[in-house]
Amino acid sequence: KAGVTQTPRYLIKTRGQQVTLSCSPISGHRSVSWYQQTPGQGLQFLFEYFSETQRNKGNFPGRFSGRQFSNSRSEMNVSTLELGDSALYLCASSLAPGPGALNEQFFGPGTRLTVL
Amino acid sequence: AQTVTQSQPEMSVQEAETVTLSCTYDTSESDYYLFWYKQPPSRQMILVIRQEAYKQQNATENRFSVNFQKAAKSFSLKISDSQLGDAAMYFCAYRSGTTGANNLFFGTGTRLTVIP
Repeated sequence: KAGVTQTPRYLIKTRGQQVTLSCSPISGHRSVSWYQQTPGQGLQFLFEYFSETQRNKGNFPGRFSGRQFSNSRSEMNVSTLELGDSALYLCASSLAPGPGALNEQFFGPGTRLTVL
Repeated sequence: AQTVTQSQPEMSVQEAETVTLSCTYDTSESDYYLFWYKQPPSRQMILVIRQEAYKQQNATENRFSVNFQKAAKSFSLKISDSQLGDAAMYFCAYRSGTTGANNLFFGTGTRLTVIP
């Protein structure tokens, strides 16, 4: 079974631009979560999607948004990029949300975003 | 809010020896899950081991085992017979078992070096 895939793997943008990152979950997984990883702030939760609905959101400004499609693929968008948005963006998929132990999250390789 | 603390930014171990990585967490919940993730230089996050809070028995996965002390809110990872491939960043993570939210709260990580 193919793992979580993220595209693109690397991206360079300039301040003020916007960017869209894509995540394809493992086949059969319906929940997708996004995380931002930076040297200063570590790993921080951005948002979680299930059945095309945002279930949970971390403490990020409205410039960060996302969506999920009917095939469970997810995209996240960052508008008006700032230097501080430079980070590794990780996507994780799981079968479904909820308290069950089966909700093991499997991570993709990440998208490295550099904002100049 | 839940917090996860890893007090050892860096650790080193001789090949074939044993090393223990520390993790403490703060929560008011009684139902939760704890995880150790490994992030090698490739940046792919890999689940090493997980522990359900309601289970008293410590989880074990081959050379990896945990010491889960619920009352002390401590969750350490022991790596036995360390191998060169174990060199990576190790993150301790917490997920609620009561809210149904899928998001993980991560510690700041411990960089493990394996000395040949």
